[in-house]
Amino acid sequence: DQQVKQNSPSLSVQEGRISILNCDYTNSMFDYFLWYKKYPAEGPTFLISISSIKDKNEDGRFTVFLNKSAKHLSLHIVPSQPGDSAVYFCAANGQGGSEKLVFGKGTKLTVNP
Amino acid sequence: DAGVIQSPRHEVTEMGQEVTLRCKPISGHDYLFWYRQTMMRGLELLIYFNNNVPIDDSGMPEDRFSAKMPNASFSTLKIQPSEPRDSAVYFCASSFSGTVGGNSPLHFGNGTRLTVT
Repeated sequence: DQQVKQNSPSLSVQEGRISILNCDYTNSMFDYFLWYKKYPAEGPTFLISISSIKDKNEDGRFTVFLNKSAKHLSLHIVPSQPGDSAVYFCAANGQGGSEKLVFGKGTKLTVNP
Repeated sequence: DAGVIQSPRHEVTEMGQEVTLRCKPISGHDYLFWYRQTMMRGLELLIYFNNNVPIDDSGMPEDRFSAKMPNASFSTLKIQPSEPRDSAVYFCASSFSGTVGGNSPLHFGNGTRLTVT
């Protein structure tokens, strides 16, 4: 039973355009949602997070939107750069403020010059 | 800070052999996590520790898998005997309590790529 789902295995966009990565979840008790970025042969690195009591969080070119009624979140990257090419993982912490994170399977983003 | 350090980076072994993966968390972090990444299942949590004590091992696939944390600066994940389906990338991660939703959540090592032939 996958609680965090990323239904698009891959996404390709042109440099300078917007990248939108999507994530759905099933557990309404999640407190926080996070996005991690992973380059080949490296571990995932934290990108941005959002609390379940908010609907938007922005950090530079990265914005995460949360729609609790739809149990959906998205990561927007504007403008996209070739260096953003990586696998992006959506994650949520366990219910009740648990420290453990549940991850989606990831979306591979390719930004073409 | 050197970050989370995992060794070895690559491990190739034959079916039936014992495999030991090692992890040194970031100093001062009180949580340590072992994750496994495969194409089919993505990143799945195997086990995690708090203050060197195992809290949740429900993700450990079988009794062939075991993990220990003898002190705050070292953890091992052991597979005995190993099987080809154990082939995956194993990540260790650490965090400081209360930060999972803030600005300093899980910090991952670069992983160990395990191949069992």
